[in-house]
Amino acid sequence: EDQVTQSPEALRLQEGESSSLNCSYTVSGLRGLFWYRQDPGKGPEFLFTLYSAGEEKEKERLKATLTKKESFLHITAPKPEDSATYLCAVRMRDTGGFKTIFGAGTRLFVKA
Amino acid sequence: DTGVSQDPRHKITKRGQNVTFRCDPISEHNRLYWYRQTLGQGPEFLTYFQNEAQLEKSRLLSDRFSAERPKGSFSTLEIQRTEQGDSAMYLCASSLESLRKDTQYFGPGTRLTVL
Repeated sequence: EDQVTQSPEALRLQEGESSSLNCSYTVSGLRGLFWYRQDPGKGPEFLFTLYSAGEEKEKERLKATLTKKESFLHITAPKPEDSATYLCAVRMRDTGGFKTIFGAGTRLFVKA
Repeated sequence: DTGVSQDPRHKITKRGQNVTFRCDPISEHNRLYWYRQTLGQGPEFLTYFQNEAQLEKSRLLSDRFSAERPKGSFSTLEIQRTEQGDSAMYLCASSLESLRKDTQYFGPGTRLTVL
């Protein structure tokens, strides 16, 4: 069964304490892996798209990497404004086309 | 602003009433998606359109739910005879379908509360 699992469910960091969020997937025919940031009560905000194992993308304090089984979102020296839920989504081949499955997200809290 | 917009942002209704939500995608995007999200969960796919054609519907989409995209631009999602279990955030996203790029951009969502 196609599955996307994010860990940990919640992560509490001190400001400046770097860490990584994990997104593992068991799918066939990966079309793309997407990272989003979601603030409470708002829609997901696009961060990165990764298409191939070994690919990396960076934006400010965030860096996303992709292997054949998982993706990591590395957060370097986080600030309180990085506090949000980070969602991972995988687009894959499905009968007759493609489908997108989201993980449940990792809630990140960064304390000053 | 050229992002995805949704209206209304919040809707409170009584059980049994019908509600309709609207989504305006990014203008050049040919694909439009509807998702439902409950607290602590990621978005769950409901349906999507390529231009005006509804290409896929999730099993989550009961007969009480219907979506349209009449001219391939904006879309509406209607829920008939609402139930308390329909309370959720309804998200719309759009994308430009091409060989490589299939990134979905989301709107702010419509928060539905069914009393």
